[in-house]
Amino acid sequence: DQQVKQNSPSLSVQEGRISILNCDYTNSMFDYFLWYKKYPAEGPTFLISISSIKDKNEDGRFTVFLNKSAKHLSLHIVPSQPGDSAVYFCAASVGGIIQGAQKLVFGQGTRLTINP
Amino acid sequence: DTGVSQDPRHKITKRGQNVTFRCDPISEHNRLYWYRQTLGQGPEFLTYFQNEAQLEKSRLLSDRFSAERPKGSFSTLEIQRTEQGDSAMYLCASSRPGELFFGEGSRLTVL
Repeated sequence: DQQVKQNSPSLSVQEGRISILNCDYTNSMFDYFLWYKKYPAEGPTFLISISSIKDKNEDGRFTVFLNKSAKHLSLHIVPSQPGDSAVYFCAASVGGIIQGAQKLVFGQGTRLTINP
Repeated sequence: DTGVSQDPRHKITKRGQNVTFRCDPISEHNRLYWYRQTLGQGPEFLTYFQNEAQLEKSRLLSDRFSAERPKGSFSTLEIQRTEQGDSAMYLCASSRPGELFFGEGSRLTVL
């Protein structure tokens, strides 16, 4: 039972354009969502998060959108840079920003390649 | 470097042998987690500690797996009688509210 799904295993984007990574979830109890970036041979690195009381959170080139009714979130990267090439995981948890991040449920990941 | 550190980074062992991984969390974080990641999948939760107390264990953690955090600082994850299906990346993480910081992982290869 995959509670968090990233249906695109890979995505290729031209440098300077927008990258949009998608994530769907099934558990309506999830109330805190995170995106992680992973380079080969390294652990996942936290990128950005969003609480279910918001529908958008922005940090520099990264914006996360949350559509609770559709149980869908997306990560927008603009403009995309070659250093953004990595595997991106979305993750979800129950318990909000205080209790949250105790036990994350991760998607399968999307490999993003930024072409020069 | 004040991040989460794990040792060893890579372990190759024969089936049936025991292995132990160590994790040193970020010093001010009192929560410590173990996750496992297999090829093509996201990390899966195994267990977590609040200080020295192990508060939750996933059903993925069979009887062959044991985790400890004896003094509320570093943690060890031991796998007894390893099987080929145990081959994976074992990730340790520590947290402050709202954010989980991962180490670089310990990759286990069981031959």
